[in-house]
Amino acid sequence: AQSVTQPDIHITVSEGASLELRCNYSYGATPYLFWYVQSPGQGLQLLLKYFSGDTLVQGIKGFEAEFKRSQSSFNLRKPSVHWSDAAEYFCAVGPILTGGGNKLTFGTGTQLKVEL
Amino acid sequence: DTEVTQTPKHLVMGMTNKKSLKCEQHMGHRAMYWYKQKAKKPPELMFVYSYEKLSINESVPSRFSPECPNSSLLNLHLHALQPEDSALYLCASSQDPRTSGRASNEQFFGPGTRLTVL
Repeated sequence: AQSVTQPDIHITVSEGASLELRCNYSYGATPYLFWYVQSPGQGLQLLLKYFSGDTLVQGIKGFEAEFKRSQSSFNLRKPSVHWSDAAEYFCAVGPILTGGGNKLTFGTGTQLKVEL
Repeated sequence: DTEVTQTPKHLVMGMTNKKSLKCEQHMGHRAMYWYKQKAKKPPELMFVYSYEKLSINESVPSRFSPECPNSSLLNLHLHALQPEDSALYLCASSQDPRTSGRASNEQFFGPGTRLTVL
């Protein structure tokens, strides 16, 4: 079975500081990995995704993530955090092909707070 | 158009009411999803539709009844809900792997419907 672990429930950083959010996955095959961001009361927005190829993936809003197969990790990074980055961040793995559609498994999320 | 819309934004209902949530997308996606999200928790998959047919039901109680009347529209009919069903209900859509041949199709999420059951 696939699973995702986000070890940090809360992270607080100062505006302008660098950020790294951790994600570890368990998956029996080549994983398809995603990072989503959710502002309070809103839906989820895709930041970036990894399927294959270059293990350093660039996303929107200045985010990037690096896939490390040997560590089963897909950590999200940003060199300089902005106050508007405060949100909940979810790592997800999958999807599993079923009779149709896709099935994502989400981590428990990391709440990011940005101090001004 | 890369938007998934959901109506209503907020819904308050009693335990004896019948209501429906609506989701719409015009991206040509043939897979659509309902998720339930409690506060401070990740989304939990409820249903998956593929080509307007129910593909996955994650053991959801029968008081939740999904419907996919066409390729752009997804409904969730609610009846005799319990207070513990109060949550944010998210709709999503994606290309179907049977269309694109890839398992890597990202899901696009709507803003959700905030449901409160009294």
